[in-house]
Amino acid sequence: RKEVEQDPGPFNVPEGATVAFNCTYSNSASQSFFWYRQDCRKEPKLLMSVYSSGNEDGRFTAQLNRASQYISLLIRDSKLSDSATYLCVVNNPRGSSNTGKLIFGQGTTLQVKP
Amino acid sequence: ETGVTQTPRHLVMGMTNKKSLKCEQHLGHNAMYWYKQSAKKPLELMFVYNFKEQTENNSVPSRFSPECPNSSHLFLHLHTLQPEDSALYLCASSQQGAFYGYTFGSGTRLTVV
Repeated sequence: RKEVEQDPGPFNVPEGATVAFNCTYSNSASQSFFWYRQDCRKEPKLLMSVYSSGNEDGRFTAQLNRASQYISLLIRDSKLSDSATYLCVVNNPRGSSNTGKLIFGQGTTLQVKP
Repeated sequence: ETGVTQTPRHLVMGMTNKKSLKCEQHLGHNAMYWYKQSAKKPLELMFVYNFKEQTENNSVPSRFSPECPNSSHLFLHLHTLQPEDSALYLCASSQQGAFYGYTFGSGTRLTVV
């Protein structure tokens, strides 16, 4: 089982739609959770951090369910500029050398169409 | 400068060349990372450094040689690469443990010919 699993998509939605991405993680010791956005041929950029049950920032809402080890990202009123790959990312507090690092999902591709 | 800076942005090298990628962070972080991302593939962790000590080598071939002289600078020395090593190489930094996430550099797009 992968440490972080996401549906790779692609998700093709019209402008104005609401779209939700789901992610599951395997390490119950994970303490922090993130959604990163990556545009084609660019570096990933932090979109949202989640440290408790959820976080909201404008049109974006992230939710965390620790019992089910599940994270979601909701995008409301989709814009053309939201087209990108969304990476679910989980902190692994105990790496192979007892140091923390981030574990990245493979990403979910979103294409918003006019 | 602020954030994480990577140079060069683009690099084309022959299989017999030796080149180096440079990463510098101005965030006061104490952990730095090298990642490889091949076309349309997920990020692959290569190396982790904490307080300039290497703490993880993710079975990377010896033709990739990292160097971390201090907590702010990270290098990736390249020699006798193969065409399949062509990829986007990303540097990231964080506080130790990465609890608050990473900050990535813009990456070096490497083409091996």
